[in-house]
Amino acid sequence: DTGVSQNPRHKITKRGQNVTFRCDPISEHNRLYWYRQTLGQGPEFLTYFQNEAQLEKSRLLSDRFSAERPKGSFSTLEIQRTEQGDSAMYLCASSFSTGKIGTIYFGEGSWLTVV
Amino acid sequence: AQSVSQHNHHVILSEAASLELGCNYSYGGTVNLFWYVQYPGQHLQLLLKYFSGDPLVKGIKGFEAEFIKSKFSFNLRKPSVQWSDTAEYFCAVNGNDKIIFGKGTRLHILP
Repeated sequence: DTGVSQNPRHKITKRGQNVTFRCDPISEHNRLYWYRQTLGQGPEFLTYFQNEAQLEKSRLLSDRFSAERPKGSFSTLEIQRTEQGDSAMYLCASSFSTGKIGTIYFGEGSWLTVV
Repeated sequence: AQSVSQHNHHVILSEAASLELGCNYSYGGTVNLFWYVQYPGQHLQLLLKYFSGDPLVKGIKGFEAEFIKSKFSFNLRKPSVQWSDTAEYFCAVNGNDKIIFGKGTRLHILP
């Protein structure tokens, strides 16, 4: 078990370009979460999956953001037409939960800089 | 809706001083409570958690936290801090299916 893995770790992109981040959760974890963190702030919830089903999306997740978890294993977070305000660290986390939430384990994050 | 408030944004202490970081939450039902730590350049790590039972929970590296239901609080404590405790600390609450974080407290320990 190597923990939650995210890539790329760093991404610099020009405004207007699309970017995609990948998250590989801890194996057998059925829940997968995406958070966003900016400097001086705590992680902000974006969305989460139970297996392949996306169960909740935050209002922070505009139409330019889309997340998938097609086979209930890895997940991708795509940001279309990036804006400078999208610059942040995007955190993925996973847990094993049966009804009640279990401990959530975080990956190291993917830094996005939009120039 | 659930929310978390951390009172101290930046705390500076000398080594061996005692630490208490405040955390209050807002949620009407049963909650699970967490403290996470983020060392410089590293990812979030779980320090300790409260799900049920003894309201005084002990975590890693000598940290502990006390859940006081009547005060909606879950303060983090450590009797004697070390320089290596320099990090950012996040209180978090889960009342349903996701964890909500506070804005964090940046702790700086002077050697």
